[in-house]
Amino acid sequence: LAKTTQPISMDSYEGQEVNITCSHNNIATNDYITWYQQFPSQGPRFIIQGYKTKVTNEVASLFIPADRKSSTLSLPRVSLSDTAVYYCLVVLGSGYSTLTFGKGTMLLVSP
Amino acid sequence: EAEVAQSPRYKITEKSQAVAFWCDPISGHATLYWYRQILGQGPELLVQFQDESVVDDSQLPKDRFSAERLKGVDSTLKIQPAELGDSAMYLCASSSEGRSPLHFGNGTRLTVT
Repeated sequence: LAKTTQPISMDSYEGQEVNITCSHNNIATNDYITWYQQFPSQGPRFIIQGYKTKVTNEVASLFIPADRKSSTLSLPRVSLSDTAVYYCLVVLGSGYSTLTFGKGTMLLVSP
Repeated sequence: EAEVAQSPRYKITEKSQAVAFWCDPISGHATLYWYRQILGQGPELLVQFQDESVVDDSQLPKDRFSAERLKGVDSTLKIQPAELGDSAMYLCASSSEGRSPLHFGNGTRLTVT
């Protein structure tokens, strides 16, 4: 099971782009990367997932280099409401996949 | 958008008492998960169901916790007897299949006194 490592916390200001990097050195060939967001007193919410290169949706972009040993979640022009905990997880590409959450990255966006 | 329903939202119980949580997943979702989240930590998987079958309960404290999903739809998680260390948020999630994104409910906040 690929372990993930991400910063404990990050600070930003409204309107800035935020990049949260996650390392997953032991990712297997068929595994892929997924990110969740969690607000206080709510369950995590799926943001984005990808296997390689770049994935973009209406909320974020996910950059995965060729070696796939890391990935970067990019949040464009953050607002105060983006203050949350962000989790990077590796999804197994075969068999039953159990999502294992780490402590995540606490992003604080200030005015 | 369809949601995962959980009840109750909050529960306060005394240690040694029994407590139960209920979860109704999104219709058609075959995979159901129960997670426990202690304040300041990430969610920890307790049990994973595929339809009515348990596929992973390796982290479930089976001496006091039990979970069932009898008809492969809604699910109940029970703790008996509750201990002070069980105070946490209990989250239910569902997905259409094992590797599709999880949809979480808003959890049950349990306080054991």
